[in-house]
Amino acid sequence: NAGVTQTPKFQVLKTGQSMTLQCAQDMNHEYMSWYRQDPGMGLRLIHYSVGAGITDQGEVPNGYNVSRSTTEDFPLRLLSAAPSQTSVYFCASSYSGVGAYEQYFGPGTRLTVT
Amino acid sequence: DQQVKQNSPSLSVQEGRISILNCDYTNSMFDYFLWYKKYPAEGPTFLISISSIKDKNEDGRFTVFLNKSAKHLSLHIVPSQPGDSAVYFCAASVRGYQKVTFGTGTKLQVIP
Repeated sequence: NAGVTQTPKFQVLKTGQSMTLQCAQDMNHEYMSWYRQDPGMGLRLIHYSVGAGITDQGEVPNGYNVSRSTTEDFPLRLLSAAPSQTSVYFCASSYSGVGAYEQYFGPGTRLTVT
Repeated sequence: DQQVKQNSPSLSVQEGRISILNCDYTNSMFDYFLWYKKYPAEGPTFLISISSIKDKNEDGRFTVFLNKSAKHLSLHIVPSQPGDSAVYFCAASVRGYQKVTFGTGTKLQVIP
């Protein structure tokens, strides 16, 4: 049971480049989400999904796209990278339902945009 | 607008003493609260939670207290151990909605 996996661990992009951050979970969780962590800002929700085919925006969705074609995978796409997107990105998953809000987080992807 | 606030960015405590981490929230709709612990270069891990129908929840050395009227919760760690040194995030959600709002975190250092 690998839990939540994220690839890559580190990435350097030039301004304007696009890329996809991968996230997968093997716990059959319905809910998956993407957060970014910046100094002094805590964890901010980018996008989330409550099941395959269903996604919605979080607090800071601009510049990012997501899709959820399977229960296991929830990739995050940066359309045209900007220096403001330099951050650490975490993917998380959990069961849906009453009392089941504890999220399992991946190890993170550290992204630098130059 | 920061709906979940952790006003202390850092806290230092001697080993064996009590650590108290505080969290305030502004959204009265929040009814489920969680604490996560994060070590450097790792993802956060769930620590303890509390529902708004309770005012206290214990799990070993960790206790979370909720004061709904003050919109305040706190995490007590007794006794504190060096391995507890980490960043602690408070988080809140509305039951029935999956979105979770996190605070900015408090870095706890437990000094041996």
